[in-house]
Amino acid sequence: SQELEQSPQSLIVQEGKNLTINCTSSKTLYGLYWYKQKYGEGLIFLMMLQKGGEEKSHEKITAKLDEKKQQSSLHITASQPSHAGIYLCGAVISNTGKLIFGQGTTLQVKP
Amino acid sequence: GAGVSQSPSNKVTEKGKDVELRCDPISGHTALYWYRQRLGQGLEFLIYFQGNSAPDKSGLPSDRFSAERTGESVSTLTIQRTQQEDSAVYLCASSTAGTVTNYGYTFGSGTRLTVV
Repeated sequence: SQELEQSPQSLIVQEGKNLTINCTSSKTLYGLYWYKQKYGEGLIFLMMLQKGGEEKSHEKITAKLDEKKQQSSLHITASQPSHAGIYLCGAVISNTGKLIFGQGTTLQVKP
Repeated sequence: GAGVSQSPSNKVTEKGKDVELRCDPISGHTALYWYRQRLGQGLEFLIYFQGNSAPDKSGLPSDRFSAERTGESVSTLTIQRTQQEDSAVYLCASSTAGTVTNYGYTFGSGTRLTVV
């Protein structure tokens, strides 16, 4: 079983639409990271959340961490083709720094 | 160097052969992580190092997999007697902090391993 669950696994949206990707842990998270990966390329760091209730935004992407620090959501407003790729949530799940990842969410944005 | 360097970038090997994958982290980064990514999937945790020690080796798929780190710098992931199911991209990441870092983790470009 996955310690970090992402949903949905894949998403196809029309350009201009909003979308949300969720990341859920069965354990309290020490830190939550969102990355984006384009096919065949490396991982690009988007945002890091650490405090319960924290919310961060960058351009049209907003990420939130719930109060219990067990769930995070990534919200994209007015999606564009440039947003297409694989979104990965990563989490530090121990005080020794173990970093694990969810299964990823593949996003396609249709022009 | 400026980033995390992994070598080789591509490796094709015959089933049953041993392979060594190398990761050069950013200078001064104390934490180093290895992941495996199969096509279309997420990152599967393999092992991580704090300095030269590995607090958690639980992600190594079998005893054919081993990793070491020396001088709190370069790390080598070794796969013995490779099998076709070992084919994947192997990613390395490093970070400054021992626990949670505000700046994320820097990933290398990966080694694409193909076992034929």
